[in-house]
Amino acid sequence: QVQLKESGPGLVQPSETLSLTCTVSGFSLTSYSVSWVRQPSGKGPEWMGRMWYDGDTAYNSALKSRLSISRDTSKNQVFLKMNSLQTDDTGTYYCTRDDYDGYYHYFDYWGQGVMVTVSS
Amino acid sequence: DIQMTQSPPSLSASLGDKVTITCQASQNINKYIAWYQQKPGKAPGLLIHYTSTLVSGIPSRFSGSGSGRDYSFSISNVESEDIASYYCLQYDNSWTFGGGTKLELK
Repeated sequence: QVQLKESGPGLVQPSETLSLTCTVSGFSLTSYSVSWVRQPSGKGPEWMGRMWYDGDTAYNSALKSRLSISRDTSKNQVFLKMNSLQTDDTGTYYCTRDDYDGYYHYFDYWGQGVMVTVSS
Repeated sequence: DIQMTQSPPSLSASLGDKVTITCQASQNINKYIAWYQQKPGKAPGLLIHYTSTLVSGIPSRFSGSGSGRDYSFSISNVESEDIASYYCLQYDNSWTFGGGTKLELK
């Protein structure tokens, strides 16, 4: 069955870099795209970026200068790196599998999420 | 960027009630809207995509409709397991979520 699981540090210092890993099973990264979505506590989610099934990437314009997404298909993993973290980057970070209606992609399966706190 | 205005922010209902949540996009999103349910401490779960297509296994008391900029999501005969927060997502042009609606029991 489709599963995604995020891993990474729960606490990051301000101005430091966040590194997260999404390990997937039950589908191929060369057939489905994977997105990263974050959610501050008590607020709506925010799409951060996507690793397309063909290896291309797309980023939220508000985060593009700080964000990098990559993958290792042999390990079924997608990686997120975001630099210059500030306190308003605190929240739960999810990876999602993307399904589609024609050419339009939405998020169908989600990982359990990893809580990230930015604090000194 | 497309903005999604979701209302109401909170909703109080009795068991068996019908409730409706709306999302208005800042521009036409061509029916590319999905709806998610989120319970505390859990990831959002997909209920509906392309305005009204119910995900397999989701009860028929959940429904969606709309076109252009205006969309709605309804739960008929609210059950205790429906107590959660609900979010809309537009995926016509990039991806933007609404601010959420917290459904509580009256």
